Amino acid sequence: DTAVSQTPKYLVTQMGNDKSIKCEQNLGHDTMYWYKQDSKKFLKIMFSYNNKELIINETVPNRFSPKSPDKAHLNLHINSLELGDSAVYFCASSQAGGAAQPQHFGDGTRLSIL
Amino acid sequence: DQQVKQNSPSLSVQEGRISILNCDYTNSMFDYFLWYKKYPAEGPTFLISISSIKDKNEDGRFTVFLNKSAKHLSLHIVPSQPGDSAVYFCAARIQGAQKLVFGQGTRLTINP
Repeated sequence: DTAVSQTPKYLVTQMGNDKSIKCEQNLGHDTMYWYKQDSKKFLKIMFSYNNKELIINETVPNRFSPKSPDKAHLNLHINSLELGDSAVYFCASSQAGGAAQPQHFGDGTRLSIL
Repeated sequence: DQQVKQNSPSLSVQEGRISILNCDYTNSMFDYFLWYKKYPAEGPTFLISISSIKDKNEDGRFTVFLNKSAKHLSLHIVPSQPGDSAVYFCAARIQGAQKLVFGQGTRLTINP
């Protein structure tokens, strides 16, 4: 009964490869997000989708391409991986609304670039 | 240009005592503030929030205080329990957006 699930949990790959991370939520939320937690532990938003439409894109390199096939899924594809892409990537979801709706996070995908 | 700062990377508190975690911000356009708790190898979990029009919000052992003039908020946990040992993130929402800006977290350790 996991609310927000991401796969894989760990991803180790070589520089230059292309990889994808998948995210699914079963909370019925209409907004999903990708965050990156870097080595300094800051959680920074990368993208946000609302009902399959991109609403936030935080100057992320275009090697990163999110895809939302439906409002319960938001996948992240990364091309030509670089050493600086090593981080923990968190998916999150929330219900859109006037008041701040808490975001629910997955357990993260730890990406290591060799 | 960190807009949300948690200046204490770690805090150690005796079980049963009060834990006070602090957070400072710079952007006056933040309209909502949230605290998240994170255990190792898990995602952040929402704990408590406060609207910018309030100065206090309480939920059980957790109370968040907001001082808008000082651009400062704090999370009080009383009494502290061993299960409270985790990393606590302060986050703020920009008015009109669903984007959250996070601090870098404070690791809280509750000692028996």
